[in-house]
Amino acid sequence: DAKTTQPPSMDCAEGRAANLPCNHSTISGNEYVYWYRQIHSQGPQYIIHGLKNNETNEMASLIITEDRKSSTLILPHATLRDTAVYYCIVRVRAAGNKLTFGGGTRVLVKP
Amino acid sequence: DTAVSQTPKYLVTQMGNDKSIKCEQNLGHDTMYWYKQDSKKFLKIMFSYNNKELIINETVPNRFSPKSPDKAHLNLHINSLELGDSAVYFCASSQAGGRGLAGELFFGEGSRLTVL
Repeated sequence: DAKTTQPPSMDCAEGRAANLPCNHSTISGNEYVYWYRQIHSQGPQYIIHGLKNNETNEMASLIITEDRKSSTLILPHATLRDTAVYYCIVRVRAAGNKLTFGGGTRVLVKP
Repeated sequence: DTAVSQTPKYLVTQMGNDKSIKCEQNLGHDTMYWYKQDSKKFLKIMFSYNNKELIINETVPNRFSPKSPDKAHLNLHINSLELGDSAVYFCASSQAGGRGLAGELFFGEGSRLTVL
């Protein structure tokens, strides 16, 4: 699996959009970009994934650059409950294929 | 309805003991995993089973033995516990093929093991 680089931490104001960057310059053509998050003392939670098109669901939006070497996860209106560690992972999309977690970005949403 | 459930949630034991952590998923998935999260918060894959067959074994000591009696269960047995085994262990499951979240992992809430 390709490696990813994320800032170790960032703060965000409640109600504002949170933009979380991820670099994955060695991504392969068949690797998807996944985002998971881990709220304190809970198991990781799937957020969103994409291949090359931008994606949006009820939790977040994923913007992938045209060369696919970086992406941004957008939490449109951050709430205090969004405080968590966010992991960007690139992975071939196949069941049974493991997720390899890096250090992630620790996001603190402040009132 | 808990999708991936682990028991026990907390486990405190002495060095040298043998203990088990159980995991069950009611999502109908065919693949299950064990991950370990150490004190530095790094999540590392340990094992993966697909339809009761071992498909991933990430150089985990032989003291760790996963057992999958059926595809809804993946238990983790640990022999001769050591201090370094203290961690939070997460079970997860995923499903091959289909639409939607095919292949995405769903995690349990974790089992915190403390070895004294």
